[in-house]
Amino acid sequence: NAGVTQTPKFQVLKTGQSMTLQCAQDMNHNSMYWYRQDPGMGLRLIYYSASEGTTDKGEVPNGYNVSRLNKREFSLRLESAAPSQTSVYFCASSPPDVSKGYTFGSGTRLTVV
Amino acid sequence: SQKIEQNSEALNIQEGKTATLTCNYTNYSPAYLQWYRQDPGRGPVFLLLIRENEKEKRKERLKVTFDTTLKQSLFHITASQPADSATYLCALGGMDSSYKLIFGSGTRLLVRP
Repeated sequence: NAGVTQTPKFQVLKTGQSMTLQCAQDMNHNSMYWYRQDPGMGLRLIYYSASEGTTDKGEVPNGYNVSRLNKREFSLRLESAAPSQTSVYFCASSPPDVSKGYTFGSGTRLTVV
Repeated sequence: SQKIEQNSEALNIQEGKTATLTCNYTNYSPAYLQWYRQDPGRGPVFLLLIRENEKEKRKERLKVTFDTTLKQSLFHITASQPADSATYLCALGGMDSSYKLIFGSGTRLLVRP
């Protein structure tokens, strides 16, 4: 089925550990995004990529890095995880036609202890 | 400062009634506004887009209005059903040349049978 695939679905990290969240889409979308969702705060943009080879910071980029590996894949890396990064992370992609909206993945629930 | 407000309290209504959810914003000038549905443990799913020059948009049982003077969008579900129970998110877009969205924190809708 066409869509956005995120891995892993769940992860527990110790403070200071690193990890990479993977995201891939098969809809040939140019734009991809990483959001985090915390209770009562809604979705906040971490980084986005308007096209292959470009990335830009969103609202809350500190502590994260991203790689747009190719048109399909956009990964999010936590170099040294902190408890404040405990959250649900969503990857999304979108076509240029805004009337189609974003397609989101099913999320990664990350806990940092 | 920029702000998007959705009612944080759950909306609890009887099956068959019309549900009306509100999205208010300040210090933004969006070119369009989108509405998403999110079920527990899942990513948001795109429902509708309305542009700044449109007053109203309909899709099946859904109706969205957009008042750029009041800086408000209303989202209506007519003849509501228990299956409509979910969290509904509004998102603003088109504030710059990118396709990134700014999301509200969502309102939970509960439809009682």
